[in-house]
Amino acid sequence: DQQVKQNSPSLSVQEGRISILNCDYTNSMFDYFLWYKKYPAEGPTFLISISSIKDKNEDGRFTVFLNKSAKHLSLHIVPSQPGDSAVYFCAASAYGAQKLVFGQGTRLTINP
Amino acid sequence: EAGVTQSPTHLIKTRGQQVTLRCSPISGHTSVYWYQQALGLGLQFLLWYDEGEERNRGNFPPRFSGRQFPNYSSELNVNALELEDSALYLCASSLFGGKGGNTIYFGEGSWLTVV
Repeated sequence: DQQVKQNSPSLSVQEGRISILNCDYTNSMFDYFLWYKKYPAEGPTFLISISSIKDKNEDGRFTVFLNKSAKHLSLHIVPSQPGDSAVYFCAASAYGAQKLVFGQGTRLTINP
Repeated sequence: EAGVTQSPTHLIKTRGQQVTLRCSPISGHTSVYWYQQALGLGLQFLLWYDEGEERNRGNFPPRFSGRQFPNYSSELNVNALELEDSALYLCASSLFGGKGGNTIYFGEGSWLTVV
């Protein structure tokens, strides 16, 4: 049962343009959502998070949007840079459960 | 400030052997988590420790076990290694224990190859 889904295994974007990564979830108990970036052979790096009481959170070039009714969140990266090329994971947790449930990841490639 | 540190970074074991992986959390963090990322798969939750106790466990057999020490560092033990245990084992830590709004921070991982 895949509670967190990233339906696009890969995404290619031109440098300077906007990258939009999408994530869907099925568990209505999830109330905290995170995005992580991962380079090969390294641990995931925390990027940005959002609580279910918000619908948007910004941090520099990164913005996360949450649509609770659709059970959908997205990560926008503007402008995209070559160093953004990595695998991006969305993750979700429910209050008290502490366990993060991860999506399968989306490989983002930024082309010069 | 030091991040989550793990050791060893790489190791090779023979099927049937036992392995111990170690993790030191970020200073001040009391919760430690273990995740497995097998080749081509996503991150699978293994174990969560907080204040020295196992709080939650993923869908893994009992030969995966661990513990958390009074200084909040942790060990992951895998007994009777099988070929499919070959994976990147990630340790993570967080401030909160059992509360919402939990951001966890990962270490660089330990690559285990079982031959």
